[in-house]
Amino acid sequence: AQTVTQSQPEMSVQEAETVTLSCTYDTSESDYYLFWYKQPPSRQMILVIRQEAYKQQNATENRFSVNFQKAAKSFSLKISDSQLGDAAMYFCAVGGATNKLIFGTGTLLAVQP
Amino acid sequence: KAGVTQTPRYLIKTRGQQVTLSCSPISGHRSVSWYQQTPGQGLQFLFEYFSETQRNKGNFPGRFSGRQFSNSRSEMNVSTLELGDSALYLCASSLLPGLSYGYTFGSGTRLTVV
Repeated sequence: AQTVTQSQPEMSVQEAETVTLSCTYDTSESDYYLFWYKQPPSRQMILVIRQEAYKQQNATENRFSVNFQKAAKSFSLKISDSQLGDAAMYFCAVGGATNKLIFGTGTLLAVQP
Repeated sequence: KAGVTQTPRYLIKTRGQQVTLSCSPISGHRSVSWYQQTPGQGLQFLFEYFSETQRNKGNFPGRFSGRQFSNSRSEMNVSTLELGDSALYLCASSLLPGLSYGYTFGSGTRLTVV
């Protein structure tokens, strides 16, 4: 079975500052993927960044980067130069051979101007 | 390129009724997955379809069913609605089954059961 834990229900960051969202997971699969999704009030789940577990190198997408610690089963998201449009609920997810995603409970990120 | 389209956006139904939700994937995408999102249970996987066949099913009662048509459009049906079925139902599509292809989500259908 796979589980995902997001221990920060809410976070706040000042515009232009950096914030890190935490995520830990557990899986018995050897080949899996990790994701961060953003859900703004529009409700659509938007893919922020993806990490293949077999890759050592941490994924980056513009202002978004991850710190993937495979042994510790940790997958944190760092948002640099935070913008007002980054305010949303962020979900961490893990998926493997069955293609189904297991999501965490989410972290609500507020961006202060 | 149009995204994943889910209809209707909002729906209100009475306990005991049944409901059908629709999902049109991105053009060319052949795999469709459904998720239920509630405040209490969070996001939970319902099913995955590819080539009109259900490939995976989540831990939901038999009242929840789905299908996929030859044009890859998918529908999910919930019969004998219960108050606890009130949720946001999200559909996601990908080119083929497999997380390596990436999933694109729609904006969901908000179902309220009264």
